[in-house]
Amino acid sequence: DAKTTQPPSMDCAEGRAANLPCNHSTISGNEYVYWYRQIHSQGPQYIIHGLKNNETNEMASLIITEDRKSSTLILPHATLRDTAVYYCIVRDNNDMRFGAGTRLTVKP
Amino acid sequence: DSGVTQTPKHLITATGQRVTLRCSPRSGDLSVYWYQQSLDQGLQFLIQYYNGEERAKGNILERFSAQQFPDLHSELNLSSLELGDSALYFCASSLIQGGEAFFGQGTRLTVV
Repeated sequence: DAKTTQPPSMDCAEGRAANLPCNHSTISGNEYVYWYRQIHSQGPQYIIHGLKNNETNEMASLIITEDRKSSTLILPHATLRDTAVYYCIVRDNNDMRFGAGTRLTVKP
Repeated sequence: DSGVTQTPKHLITATGQRVTLRCSPRSGDLSVYWYQQSLDQGLQFLIQYYNGEERAKGNILERFSAQQFPDLHSELNLSSLELGDSALYFCASSLIQGGEAFFGQGTRLTVV
């Protein structure tokens, strides 16, 4: 059973912020939220993860709601190279299962 | 470059045959994951190993098996191959059982 729900597709204008939502209403206390992306048929790329606090790194920001039932990945200035499928994953220390993800298309 | 090496990059074989896919994790990583991605499909989790022991099993067929060796590299064995086994097979590794995982570039298997 999928632990997360993401919109199947989104568009974003180049240079604008891309905000990708994820619902994980059944998340348990020891589960983290992870984000990965896959560009075409390349190996997925780790982006960011968090438990309950908001996180930021050189690639993106992760905003997790206080009840932890949803989160948003923010790419602050999307470029054409950010076009990819973005996966939100909820996991503990064991298996890492991917859902269908969101296909983000960044347009000029 | 993620530091995870998968060989071979491409493999073409006939139905009924057996193949072995190899994964060398990043230096120091103890956990290895295997995934199957068929054309335009999602990533299907197959199996996870941690320091040589199986930790989690997903939708892995009985015709498929895997192991992680003492030097931490892993192999995925696929036998009695069928046309439907044609896919990209990805390996990922992480330092610990959880944590961020880094993926190889995959092995593209074509069964003819």
